[in-house]
Amino acid sequence: SQQGEEDPQALSIQEGENATMNCSYKTSINNLQWYRQNSGRGLVHLILIRSNEREKHSGRLRVTLDTSKKSSSLLITASRAADTASYFCATDRSRGAQKLVFGQGTRLTINP
Amino acid sequence: NAGVTQTPKFRVLKTGQSMTLLCAQDMNHEYMYWYRQDPGMGLRLIHYSVGEGTTAKGEVPDGYNVSRLKKQNFLLGLESAAPSQTSVYFCASRPGTTMTGELFFGEGSRLTVL
Repeated sequence: SQQGEEDPQALSIQEGENATMNCSYKTSINNLQWYRQNSGRGLVHLILIRSNEREKHSGRLRVTLDTSKKSSSLLITASRAADTASYFCATDRSRGAQKLVFGQGTRLTINP
Repeated sequence: NAGVTQTPKFRVLKTGQSMTLLCAQDMNHEYMYWYRQDPGMGLRLIHYSVGEGTTAKGEVPDGYNVSRLKKQNFLLGLESAAPSQTSVYFCASRPGTTMTGELFFGEGSRLTVL
């Protein structure tokens, strides 16, 4: 079963607007990660937030984590056409091998 | 520095045929993973390895076998392909001692079973 559930499944916005994607999970985690996948390509790591962190920034990305609600959000500010991609959250529930469990993803389309 | 390389990138099989997907990484990573990606299902872990000579089952291991004879290579085998194994397969790796947990992915291998 999938640990992470992204919401919405698809999002279409105008260039320059902000995009927010949400991820909910079911069990306790060590960390939560966000990945981007361009069409037909592999996944690329964007940002990792640990269970004892509440917010993290990287460039135009802002990630929040609420462990009490078992949820995370990814905010992309001032979106660009190149941000068009699928975005996945992944949770790490185990120590050692770090078997990341991925959600189903949010398909983001940035319209020029 | 190629990162994670998967071969082949595309393959068409008939039901019952066998094949092997090869994943090679040049980053000296300890951990390697095989995922499959299906529409609406996200990525699901098939098998993984925490070091040379070790393998373990993931979420959906049935119908697949793996081997990690060399640290840099992780092979995924299908002994008797079924249409349900039509998917895009991704290999990933990560260092064994890093605190970040970031996975490095290959570009994927698209498999169609007729």
